[in-house]
Amino acid sequence: DSGVTQTPKHLITATGQRVTLRCSPRSGDLSVYWYQQSLDQGLQFLIQYYNGEERAKGNILERFSAQQFPDLHSELNLSSLELGDSALYFCASSPRMGSYEQYFGPGTRLTVT
Amino acid sequence: LAKTTQPISMDSYEGQEVNITCSHNNIATNDYITWYQQFPSQGPRFIIQGYKTKVTNEVASLFIPADRKSSTLSLPRVSLSDTAVYYCLVGDIAVSGSARQLTFGSGTQLTVLP
Repeated sequence: DSGVTQTPKHLITATGQRVTLRCSPRSGDLSVYWYQQSLDQGLQFLIQYYNGEERAKGNILERFSAQQFPDLHSELNLSSLELGDSALYFCASSPRMGSYEQYFGPGTRLTVT
Repeated sequence: LAKTTQPISMDSYEGQEVNITCSHNNIATNDYITWYQQFPSQGPRFIIQGYKTKVTNEVASLFIPADRKSSTLSLPRVSLSDTAVYYCLVGDIAVSGSARQLTFGSGTQLTVLP
């Protein structure tokens, strides 16, 4: 158990819909990262927050957005969903900003039908 | 970000020591080397991180030669449960405060056989 929690574990929705994925980092970690992992793309970095502020963007689509709240939990919002958005979405936290030592949550499996 | 090269797959037998090598010829002065393990449908798990020479923890050892152009993850006495994908990442800790993107690449699929 990494100490990072993600909800929900599974999500099934239809194309065109919007969903919100939630992540709670390890106690004391200020950095939160979001990743997408699909069979054909591998693990892709999406976005990073540090203490409520966006710090880096990766391959995140404009239909996706995220935020980190004062209690440090983070949410990833995915809208106008397409079949290709079906993937595992992981959240990770780290004790230092931009650190490669990250602790991943169990992920949310999103299925778009 | 430094580009890394790892074998696509490796097989081993239970009880053997496994060494997975990662090449990173253009590693920068500030770059650290980090290894992750990932089981199917689970998030990657941080294994070990180092800058130079040798680092050891309760799970693995990381050997880094003086030129730092490669690194070797050593897993002692593997078991069936060590079957997983292992990723090597190279990059700097955010000394400037700016975040760095992580590129996991394809990793090495380690299969431990009975």
